[in-house]
Amino acid sequence: GQQLNQSPQSMFIQEGEDVSMNCTSSSIFNTWLWYKQEPGEGPVLLIALYKAGELTSNGRLTAQFGITRKDSFLNISASIPSDVGIYFCAGQTSGTYKYIFGTGTRLKVLA
Amino acid sequence: DTGVSQDPRHKITKRGQNVTFRCDPISEHNRLYWYRQTLGQGPEFLTYFQNEAQLEKSRLLSDRFSAERPKGSFSTLEIQRTEQGDSAMYLCASSFRAQDTEAFFGQGTRLTVV
Repeated sequence: GQQLNQSPQSMFIQEGEDVSMNCTSSSIFNTWLWYKQEPGEGPVLLIALYKAGELTSNGRLTAQFGITRKDSFLNISASIPSDVGIYFCAGQTSGTYKYIFGTGTRLKVLA
Repeated sequence: DTGVSQDPRHKITKRGQNVTFRCDPISEHNRLYWYRQTLGQGPEFLTYFQNEAQLEKSRLLSDRFSAERPKGSFSTLEIQRTEQGDSAMYLCASSFRAQDTEAFFGQGTRLTVV
């Protein structure tokens, strides 16, 4: 099935560092969602974005809806060990209510 | 309300058997989604319902797969004549019909076909 491109695929960072990841598509999206998933669990919603250029924060997490509507970015500031997991973006285009997911960014934090 | 609930959490079945999974969405949510996730991949869309109507199905949903939401509340996903390639995590999500929609996922059902 169709999936969005996420980069990087994986990251190993030191505790306290900031993290940036992005998600790109060839299609225009009306909604972007960011999720975190831990092993054996379902994805947990972190941030939702609804307008081009929108910047939204949730604690140490900040996400942006790209101006072109074909990309989105997620930043995590001052990472901590519990940030470990796989981060997925998901986009929704007009004319459908299904979400297309990205390939995921696997984050590992070294204490 | 404790969120989206899926049952069972784990299912091991022999190839050729039929399996059925259940999803109970968040109570006021009228959209319900099914996704499949294999190891190392993001969730892949299978189908979604608005109330009891199945509005979209992916080509991934072969003839062996059927989903229902008879009363617009809980949903079931049945896989007939399971194959080893059906082994995956099956995820259910729900959302509320509104201009801004956020989809919330359950914990998933891990299917292993042996």
